[in-house]
Amino acid sequence: ILNVEQSPQSLHVQEGDSTNFTCSFPSSNFYALHWYRWETAKSPEALFVMTLNGDEKKKGRISATLNTKEGYSYLYIKGSQPEDSATYLCAFRRRAAGNKLTFGGGTRVLVKP
Amino acid sequence: EAGVTQFPSHSVIEKGQTVTLRCDPISGHDNLYWYRRVMGKEIKFLLHFVKESKQDESGMPNNRFLAERTGGTYSTLKVQPAELEDSGVYFCASSRGGTVVYEQYFGPGTRLTVT
Repeated sequence: ILNVEQSPQSLHVQEGDSTNFTCSFPSSNFYALHWYRWETAKSPEALFVMTLNGDEKKKGRISATLNTKEGYSYLYIKGSQPEDSATYLCAFRRRAAGNKLTFGGGTRVLVKP
Repeated sequence: EAGVTQFPSHSVIEKGQTVTLRCDPISGHDNLYWYRRVMGKEIKFLLHFVKESKQDESGMPNNRFLAERTGGTYSTLKVQPAELEDSGVYFCASSRGGTVVYEQYFGPGTRLTVT
């Protein structure tokens, strides 16, 4: 069974505060980890694709780190703004398993003004 | 460039009826994927096309689901006959071909309700 877990399931953040949350995945047969930002009724927006242990990626105020040996990735939001409110999804791609992504349940972030 | 588009955005049908969902990928993307999110659960993989060929259909739930991608452009996903448990959001995604790990770009989904 291939489990991708995200925690917490939801969190409330005060505007201006920084926050982070976790994606855990199997450490064996790692190939890639994807992060998406998703607002309901819209297309999930691709944030990052990470492939190497120790990778750090940044897009504006959002950044992510990757530890393939222990099987986790952190997503950070610096100085949260109301427009950051969304569900953040991570998806794991296993080596030799084609292109299919296995998604976690998401972390729902609500930024309060 | 235009993103992945899906039609319709919503569909409400009765149990036993047939529904066909359409996906237009980003132009030039050889890879096309279907995923599904049932209420309260994770997004799950259904199948993967490379051009017009089915590369991986390991996630298709049963033979009531038929996906096609004639000509390697747009794709359709037909559910016949629909059951209550088929309700959910059906996402389509596309990506470039090749050995590099490319992002998969998602459409907004089709929300299917079976009553």
